[in-house]
Amino acid sequence: DAGVTQSPTHLIKTRGQHVTLRCSPISGHKSVSWYQQVLGQGPQFIFQYYEKEERGRGNFPDRFSARQFPNYSSELNVNALLLGDSALYLCASSSGTQSYEQYFGPGTRLTVT
Amino acid sequence: AQKITQTQPGMFVQEKEAVTLDCTYDTSDPSYGLFWYKQPSSGEMIFLIYQGSYDQQNATEGRYSLNFQKARKSANLVISASQLGDSAMYFCAMSPAPSGGSYIPTFGRGTSLIVHP
Repeated sequence: DAGVTQSPTHLIKTRGQHVTLRCSPISGHKSVSWYQQVLGQGPQFIFQYYEKEERGRGNFPDRFSARQFPNYSSELNVNALLLGDSALYLCASSSGTQSYEQYFGPGTRLTVT
Repeated sequence: AQKITQTQPGMFVQEKEAVTLDCTYDTSDPSYGLFWYKQPSSGEMIFLIYQGSYDQQNATEGRYSLNFQKARKSANLVISASQLGDSAMYFCAMSPAPSGGSYIPTFGRGTSLIVHP
């Protein structure tokens, strides 16, 4: 079975632009979480979705938004990009509620210039 | 709020030896989970092991074991018989037990492990 997939792999954007990152969970997984990992730090939680509903939101500004589609894939949108948004964005999927095992994708490396 | 502390920025170990990676945590939640993840240079986070706060026995997964000392709020990872492929960043994380949805781990800053031949 395919693991969690993310696209694109790398992305370079200019300050003020908008970006959309995509994630496809493992087949059968209904929960998707997004994390931001700045160089030299651990991942920071951004959003969690389960069955297309937002189940958790981290301490990120409203410029960050996400959604989950009927096929459980997900998009993370970031508006008005800042230099500080440069990071590795990780998507993780899990089977559902109460699940402790999360499977991470390879991430999208976003560089904002 | 949860806090995870990993005090070892870097660790070195000889191949085939055991190594302990330290992790302490702070939480006011009565029920929580503790996790360890491995992140190779490729960037992908790999789940290694989980320990529930009410589990009586330390978790083990192959060469990985979690030394859980609840009173000391400590959750150290022990890797036995280190292999060259174990060289990576290791992250300790914890999450309150979810009331709905999945666990949402808060991660530490990580420990870089280098295994020497």
